Amino acid sequence: GQSLEQPSEVTAVEGAIVQINCTYQTSGFYGLSWYQQHDGGAPTFLSYNALDGLEETGRFSSFLSRSDSYGYLLLQELQMKDSASYFCAVHGGYQKVTFGTGTKLQVIP
Amino acid sequence: EPEVTQTPSHQVTQMGQEVILRCVPISNHLYFYWYRQILGQKVEFLVSFYNNEISEKSEIFDDQFSVERPDGSNFTLKIRSTKLEDSAMYFCASTDSLTGELFFGEGSRLTVL
Repeated sequence: GQSLEQPSEVTAVEGAIVQINCTYQTSGFYGLSWYQQHDGGAPTFLSYNALDGLEETGRFSSFLSRSDSYGYLLLQELQMKDSASYFCAVHGGYQKVTFGTGTKLQVIP
Repeated sequence: EPEVTQTPSHQVTQMGQEVILRCVPISNHLYFYWYRQILGQKVEFLVSFYNNEISEKSEIFDDQFSVERPDGSNFTLKIRSTKLEDSAMYFCASTDSLTGELFFGEGSRLTVL
């Protein structure tokens, strides 16, 4: 099966940089995704890493180390609207995407 | 912009009743998913579906659950005899690729009394 661990809560100041870590255990691995979810909303896709290294998309970057079963999401120039829950998700089977426990990010002025 | 649509947005039912949740995936997508999220908790995988067959399912997806693609556009999740613990938000998702983005609908909130 799959298991993913993330910090439950993170607080950061507007304009700062925050890193949300994700460690995973899985019998099969195809890639790691990140999703954002605002309260009451649906998860929305942020990034996908299949290979080791850093992927950058605007203010958001995602990193993967397959040998360490570890990834992180880096959010730069934090804005108040970035307050949300962030989930890592492992693509671990043919068509199985398992979400992590989620990290609630609070951005404060 | 194409989107995944789900109905109903909210359903209240009595314990033991059957419920069908409906989803219209994005039209050119081939891979479909159902997830559920109990309030304040993580997004839990239920089942994935491709080519009119279940691809993968979780331990949550027991005999009380079934999925169907009755026509070329709809994708349904049926719960045969609802329990109190089935109360959750149910999300449908679709994608055109096994790698990358899942497109989620806005969810169907199920409340079992």
